[in-house]
Amino acid sequence: DGGITQSPKYLFRKEGQNVTLSCEQNLNHDAMYWYRQDPGQGLRLIYYSQIVNDFQKGDIAEGYSVSREKKESFPLTVTSAQKNPTAFYLCASRRGRGTGELFFGEGSRLTVL
Amino acid sequence: AQTVTQSQPEMSVQEAETVTLSCTYDTSESDYYLFWYKQPPSRQMILVIRQEAYKQQNATENRFSVNFQKAAKSFSLKISDSQLGDAAMYFCAYRRGSNFGNEKLTFGTGTRLTIIP
Repeated sequence: DGGITQSPKYLFRKEGQNVTLSCEQNLNHDAMYWYRQDPGQGLRLIYYSQIVNDFQKGDIAEGYSVSREKKESFPLTVTSAQKNPTAFYLCASRRGRGTGELFFGEGSRLTVL
Repeated sequence: AQTVTQSQPEMSVQEAETVTLSCTYDTSESDYYLFWYKQPPSRQMILVIRQEAYKQQNATENRFSVNFQKAAKSFSLKISDSQLGDAAMYFCAYRRGSNFGNEKLTFGTGTRLTIIP
């Protein structure tokens, strides 16, 4: 079945460590997105990529980095520069054009100890 | 910048009754899309319904329908015959039309819907 796979589902990190969240899709979608979800704040866009080898900052990109070397993969690295990294992270993808609905993964919960 | 506002942090409804969730948005564009997403306890976001701004007819998907008031920039979601499985967070989202290079979705802060048996 086609879909978006995020791993790991739960991750614990010590302060000062970088961590990478994986996002893989087999939907053949062009665009991929990373959102952060905090209680009471909805979803906020971190980074997005509309094509391989290209990506743009979203609204809260500071302390995060991404790469898009393959169409299927869009990993997110949470660096030690991110001041408040504990959150729920959602990856999504979208077909090239059209109504633009997003298809989401099941999310990754990152806790910094 | 576009903003999406959901003014009801929490709502509750008796099972089998009807409930309406509110959403307003701010944009200067004429070409855009609006969405309602559902996030159940599993936390995976699921698309409930979509509306193209150029269509005057309100979208409907089974028990879910919208009231799209373009001039008022309002996009409410009506859930009829509420079921226990409808309990979730509901997010309203906006996206500019596909002619623009920046095609990100902007989300509201969500409404938590509780279904009372």
